[in-house]
Amino acid sequence: GAVVSQHPSWVICKSGTSVKIECRSLDFQATTMFWYRQFPKQSLMLMATSNEGSKATYEQGVEKDKFLINHASLTLSTLTVTSAHPEDSSFYICSARVDMGAQPQHFGDGTRLSIL
Amino acid sequence: AQSVSQHNHHVILSEAASLELGCNYSYGGTVNLFWYVQYPGQHLQLLLKYFSGDPLVKGIKGFEAEFIKSKFSFNLRKPSVQWSDTAEYFCAVLNQGGKLIFGQGTELSVKP
Repeated sequence: GAVVSQHPSWVICKSGTSVKIECRSLDFQATTMFWYRQFPKQSLMLMATSNEGSKATYEQGVEKDKFLINHASLTLSTLTVTSAHPEDSSFYICSARVDMGAQPQHFGDGTRLSIL
Repeated sequence: AQSVSQHNHHVILSEAASLELGCNYSYGGTVNLFWYVQYPGQHLQLLLKYFSGDPLVKGIKGFEAEFIKSKFSFNLRKPSVQWSDTAEYFCAVLNQGGKLIFGQGTELSVKP
């Protein structure tokens, strides 16, 4: 149980385009979803927290207009990297949690984004 | 701000050797601590967690971790590693806002 699916797993696109990444909880309803960014050989850095039906909460230093997050249902959150540039190339990982409190997060497989 | 520090960036062991990966956190209040593992090409998986109670926590695949409050530590241990334990290991603490703060990760390579 507690499977999180992330799509696509790998995307390569030209600079200036927008890229949408989907995160779905397949067998549970996720009140809260999280988006992380991971650089090579580094830890996961939280970008934003997304609650169903409300605006995402972004971490300090993360551009809201650059990384658009939508959490329209209890099973789907999307991250759109707008007008992507090479410096946005990274590994993006989502996670989902059933409800508030100290419940474990369940992670997706991640999306490798490469901007040419 | 809370932070998590993992002492070793890369650990190389032979099969059957004992493992201990260090993890220290910077928060003096009630803590919820986790160890996650990321096998090559796979997503992060929960190994074990500590919320309260017995400070020695047993997880999956023979792993255990000990919470030592006085040392702000939550080290991961396994008596005898296998080649299949080769992976990246992340320690994490849940902050008051319900967010996971991850350590830098430790890459474990087990030689057959």
